[in-house]
Amino acid sequence: QKEVEQDPGPLSVPEGAIVSLNCTYSNSAFQYFMWYRQYSRKGPELLMYTYSSGNKEDGRFTAQVDKSSKYISLFIRDSQPSDSATYLCAMSAGSGNTGKLIFGQGTTLQVKP
Amino acid sequence: DVKVTQSSRYLVKRTGEKVFLECVQDMDHENMFWYRQDPGLGLRLIYFSYDVKMKEKGDIPEGYSVSREKKERFSLILESASTNQTSMYLCASSLSLAPMTQYFGPGTRLTVT
Repeated sequence: QKEVEQDPGPLSVPEGAIVSLNCTYSNSAFQYFMWYRQYSRKGPELLMYTYSSGNKEDGRFTAQVDKSSKYISLFIRDSQPSDSATYLCAMSAGSGNTGKLIFGQGTTLQVKP
Repeated sequence: DVKVTQSSRYLVKRTGEKVFLECVQDMDHENMFWYRQDPGLGLRLIYFSYDVKMKEKGDIPEGYSVSREKKERFSLILESASTNQTSMYLCASSLSLAPMTQYFGPGTRLTVT
């Protein structure tokens, strides 16, 4: 079993829809939870970063962490065609300062105009 | 703006060749990482370095080595390229004080024939 599981999709939604992207994990030591966005033919870029449980909002994006269920989510409100990308969740136990991350497989999202 | 550059966007090599992939970052980051990205498998860590001349194995180090002679430069070496090393290779860097925020380069698409 992989430490981090993510449905690869693809997920196709109409413009303006609310998108929910999810990851599950098995390692209860994970404390840091990240969402990266990767456009085609580009490297990933950090979108959201959450420590421990709870919600974090940034504009149209909300990251949610439920440590009791070992489940994290990224919600995108009023989705736009420019949101079309692959979204990767990443996690870390945070030991030391080397920042070793475990990534999910990534979910490909297409937002249709 | 943090910039991580990789020496080539596309590379085609023959089986058995020695391959060098170069990565340079311009933000004085202590940590540097090499990943490979394959469909359905996400990003997998090959090696990372948290200081000059320091290196640690990631999850899939077999068939690879690395070199970090200067803080800004981290090289990935394929000693004898094989077809199963055909992949997208991504370099990343982060500050030791903010290790979870990794900045990625654009990637090198390596094809081994």
